[in-house]
Amino acid sequence: QVQLQESGPGLVKPSQTLSLTCTVSGGSISSGSHYWSWVRQPAGKRLEWIGRVYSDGSTTYSPSLKSRVTISVDTSKNQFSLKLSSVTAADTAVYYCARHGVASLFYFDYWGQGTLVTVSS
Amino acid sequence: SYVLTQPPSVSVAPGKTATITCGGNTIGSKSVHWYQQKPGQAPVLLIFYDSDRPSGIPERFSGSNSGNTANLTINRVEAGDEADYYCQVWDSNSDCAVFGGGTKLTVL
Repeated sequence: QVQLQESGPGLVKPSQTLSLTCTVSGGSISSGSHYWSWVRQPAGKRLEWIGRVYSDGSTTYSPSLKSRVTISVDTSKNQFSLKLSSVTAADTAVYYCARHGVASLFYFDYWGQGTLVTVSS
Repeated sequence: SYVLTQPPSVSVAPGKTATITCGGNTIGSKSVHWYQQKPGQAPVLLIFYDSDRPSGIPERFSGSNSGNTANLTINRVEAGDEADYYCQVWDSNSDCAVFGGGTKLTVL
């Protein structure tokens, strides 16, 4: 059974960089059969896809966040990470990591439990 | 970018049928996926590729997709089905996942 677990600071100051890590267990990122994504959800609002990374390090980002987002992968640790720079209160949200398949299997079949990140001074 | 529109809320009596719509321009030409999210929990994949169910999802949940509207249908609604439901597609033009605004299902 694949499990994803987010970790990182729950409080980030405005203008700083938000950093989160997702640890994958029960499956290998390096298998190359999935993409690994970050999705966020402000309280009471819709899910918003942030971006994804493949096992070879290639990435795709949401156009609306592209200028501030970096997603990377560490296959040796079976982890992938999110960095979001120049955060504001609007970036306060529950952040989820999730996976979807390759070859048009673009639905998210496994999700982490989510971690709340608050942007506040 | 591609936009998916869902009604904010749907109410249904126990044992009845609930239909949640997801509107988008020629959405029938895309693959639509549905998720159920209960308060404080992560989304759970409910339907993929318009109408396929992952293992463990009851047959009461079904989906369809045609024209400009995709539908999630829940038969014999139970109290435990109270949740937010989200549709999702992959927008090939911008190469990104797009979610609908979510629909809160209330069981009366």
